Amino acid sequence: GESVGLHLPTLSVQEGDNSIINCAYSNSASDYFIWYKQESGKGPQFIIDIRSNMDKRQGQRVTVLLNKTVKHLSLQIAATQPGDSAVYFCAETTDSWGKLQFGAGTQVVVTP
Amino acid sequence: DGGITQSPKYLFRKEGQNVTLSCEQNLNHDAMYWYRQDPGQGLRLIYYSQIVNDFQKGDIAEGYSVSREKKESFPLTVTSAQKNPTAFYLCASSSGTGKLAEAFFGQGTRLTVV
Repeated sequence: GESVGLHLPTLSVQEGDNSIINCAYSNSASDYFIWYKQESGKGPQFIIDIRSNMDKRQGQRVTVLLNKTVKHLSLQIAATQPGDSAVYFCAETTDSWGKLQFGAGTQVVVTP
Repeated sequence: DGGITQSPKYLFRKEGQNVTLSCEQNLNHDAMYWYRQDPGQGLRLIYYSQIVNDFQKGDIAEGYSVSREKKESFPLTVTSAQKNPTAFYLCASSSGTGKLAEAFFGQGTRLTVV
């Protein structure tokens, strides 16, 4: 079936550097995408979202880029901090109710 | 504070035993979801409900059951038919109502079969 997946299972980043987390999706009908952050033993927390009619959206220290041509989504974290260490998931939906399809996740490890 | 509350945080089940995981939300959300997460993996949808007294199977519904008698509550029962129930279970809700909506998650219940 169609699915969302991530290219890199683990990303090691030095504190202060920028992080880029990638996500590939295969369902061309997906029209809403969300990035979640999950800390160990906790539920996912919303980071940022983007609709399919947009290419880029910025938040505080985070930017999401959407390339519909190649079905690729990325999350950029500026000036990565130790508190950014977590697993990051991309999720997609074609459903206005929010029924999400999740990728496997990327573990981000911030080193001093 | 508005949010989603899952209980208990940790749950141990003996083989052959049914257990029920609680999920309550005070966000006035119409839609609620149950996901299962295995170590190092993403979230897989078990069941979801878009309105009271109605629910649908997700991708991995076998061995699970749910009810939605109240808008605020969406309990999940892990039955003895679930062959490998040890996992982290996450409940979520979203506002739905025909607009694209993020899902808000609870803090999860870690179920272990002993």
